[in-house]
Amino acid sequence: DVQMTQSPSSVSASVGDRVTITCRASQDIRSWLAWYQQKPGKAPKLLISGTSSLQSGVPSRFSGSSSGTDFTLTISSLQPEDFATYYCQQGNIMPLTFGGGTKVEIK
Amino acid sequence: EVQLLESGGGLVQPGGSLRLSCAASGFTFSTYAMTWVRQAPGKGLEWIAAIGGSGVVTYYAGSVKGRFTISRDNSQDTLSLQMNSLRAEDTAVYYCAKVRSADYYGSGEDYWGQGTLVTVSS
Repeated sequence: DVQMTQSPSSVSASVGDRVTITCRASQDIRSWLAWYQQKPGKAPKLLISGTSSLQSGVPSRFSGSSSGTDFTLTISSLQPEDFATYYCQQGNIMPLTFGGGTKVEIK
Repeated sequence: EVQLLESGGGLVQPGGSLRLSCAASGFTFSTYAMTWVRQAPGKGLEWIAAIGGSGVVTYYAGSVKGRFTISRDNSQDTLSLQMNSLRAEDTAVYYCAKVRSADYYGSGEDYWGQGTLVTVSS
């Protein structure tokens, strides 16, 4: 199975900060990488698909990029509603696999 | 409006069986692959199964292969997950989700149900 190593596992940040979350795939997944946001007690929400395609309605402060097998989610200016847990998911090779998650907490 | 509504969760003894259902509405159900994703209490997300739009092609995670069966009824817009030989480690919230693209399983899941809790315990 493709292992998705997500880092950091948690980050403390303030409103207005720039936050970067990274996922490293254990093998080539091309551009099939999605990012999700999950708030406590709620279902995940798809933010980005295909490495960098923002879903409709998702604020432009969210962006995705890649370099080889390293994928990055950036929040350019953290807002109060962004405090949540974020997951990456590879979609190239079955079974699909998620990263371990990154909890973005208030500093 | 796309809606996914899971049902069928509950408490079951180890070794027992349970069948989850997911009622879909607001989109052409038969066009899209569907998936089940679970989340153990306090843990991360785990993708466990997918099924193509026609119901012919299925995929499973190793942790559930041979014990769980995903299926769909396109005449009723319903997705199902038959879970057999349940173990304590299957305790989780189970989500059904719609695959974003009609053409590719790995394009991400753009709509999710609210989840249903399965507890495996004696």
